Amino acid sequence: GAVVSQHPSRVICKSGTSVKIECRSLDFQATTMFWYRQFPKQSLMLMATSNEGSKATYEQGVEKDKFLINHASLTLSTLTVTSAHPEDSSFYICSASRGFGTEAFFGQGTRLTVV
Amino acid sequence: GENVGLHLPTLSVQEGDNSIINCAYSNSASDYFIWYKQESGKGPQFIIDIRSNMDKRQGQRVTVLLNKTVKHLSLQIAATQPGDSAVYFCAENMGAGAQKLVFGQGTRLTINP
Repeated sequence: GAVVSQHPSRVICKSGTSVKIECRSLDFQATTMFWYRQFPKQSLMLMATSNEGSKATYEQGVEKDKFLINHASLTLSTLTVTSAHPEDSSFYICSASRGFGTEAFFGQGTRLTVV
Repeated sequence: GENVGLHLPTLSVQEGDNSIINCAYSNSASDYFIWYKQESGKGPQFIIDIRSNMDKRQGQRVTVLLNKTVKHLSLQIAATQPGDSAVYFCAENMGAGAQKLVFGQGTRLTINP
């Protein structure tokens, strides 16, 4: 299968700072990328869908100014958590697909802890 | 709808037995479905997919069944092994141009020796 690399795998930051998470498709071009967050023992909650070269589509209740998504190329999408607070601590996971209605491949996730 | 704040149901089976994991999806317009396996601290791993024009698809030791009438999806794992222990999620790709891959609540599968 295709490989999606997410970086960093773990990050600890102070309240009020910003953190950037990268999601790269290593061996295919990802037209569409998805960002999820996952709390312990819960399912993945879709935050936003991004298509290369256009603005991300955010799910209801997700603050687009707080969770900045950039999908500037067919192999890279970034999620920036701005002015992080302890309640933003979570497992963030990206996935990438070649296009609508095709298999989505997942990164290994990023454990964010805000102290 | 999308899962919010639910704890995962658990299924325990004996090693070697067959497992059936069920999922109810939300959108009748969804046209593509995927089963994922997630181990602790890792991202989801693709298991098998099925399109809405099919009602059954088989892979290696796994079978997915789709019942569009009742919006139900199931994953059958044959001869379960200890390595099958994980959380299993179904995901639906909502159709009609929505381009959203939304996950169900998940089921924790535990294999007893």
